[in-house]
Amino acid sequence: AQRVTQPEKLLSVFKGAPVELKCNYSYSGSPELFWYVQYSRQRLQLLLRHISRESIKGFTADLNKGETSFHLKKPFAQEEDSAMYYCALSGQSGSGGSNYKLTFGKGTLLTVNP
Amino acid sequence: GAGVSQSPSNKVTEKGKDVELRCDPISGHTALYWYRQSLGQGLEFLIYFQGNSAPDKSGLPSDRFSAERTGGSVSTLTIQRTQQEDSAVYLCASSLTQGAVTEAFFGQGTRLTVV
Repeated sequence: AQRVTQPEKLLSVFKGAPVELKCNYSYSGSPELFWYVQYSRQRLQLLLRHISRESIKGFTADLNKGETSFHLKKPFAQEEDSAMYYCALSGQSGSGGSNYKLTFGKGTLLTVNP
Repeated sequence: GAGVSQSPSNKVTEKGKDVELRCDPISGHTALYWYRQSLGQGLEFLIYFQGNSAPDKSGLPSDRFSAERTGGSVSTLTIQRTQQEDSAVYLCASSLTQGAVTEAFFGQGTRLTVV
C-alpha cells in the first residue's frame, strides 16, 4: 500500500522567513514524488517533481529515501506563495503491472503574512 | 480543448437523487483519474482509467458510485441515491503517460452539494 503523510494542516509564516512543508511517504517500490499547489480559486497544478531536480518559484524538494521524506522548502517566503500544497506519490495501482495512480496527502495550507 | 474540462461546475441535488458528473480530458491523454476533495480530508482517489478500462476502482466508496469512459475520452462519474456525505468537490485529471505518472492535469472540479 502507498501512503503520503503531511503532518501539518496549517502553516503560517511571515514574508521573508524560510518555509518547510513536510511530507513523508510509505511505498515498497521506487517512488516518484511530486508537489502540487492550489492557489485560491485556481485549479490544482504541478509545482515540481523529484526526478527533475528543479527549483520552481524558489521552491526545492529533495527525496530522502532513508527518511522516506520529500519536504518542500523555500528560503524566503513571499505573500503570493499562500496556497494549499499537496504532496503526491506515483505508485503502482492495486492491479499492479503498468498501472499507476497518484496518491495524495491531505494537504498543508500555507499562509504567508506581510 | 486547452485543458481538462468538467461539468457542471456546481451541482445542488436532493438527497436520494442520482447525479452525473462529466469530465472531458486533454485530447490524446490516455489516463484519466477521479478524485474527491472533502474539507479536511485532502484528495481521495476514486478510480483510474487507462483508455476505456478501469484497472483500479479501489477508491469508489460504495456501490452507489460508478464511472465509465467511452471512446478513450469523456468520462462520467455517476452517484446514485445521493447522501449528504457525498457532498464534496469532485476532481478529474488526465495524464499522457501510460506507466508511472509524470504529470496529471486537473480540471476545475464539480462542487456537489446534497441537501
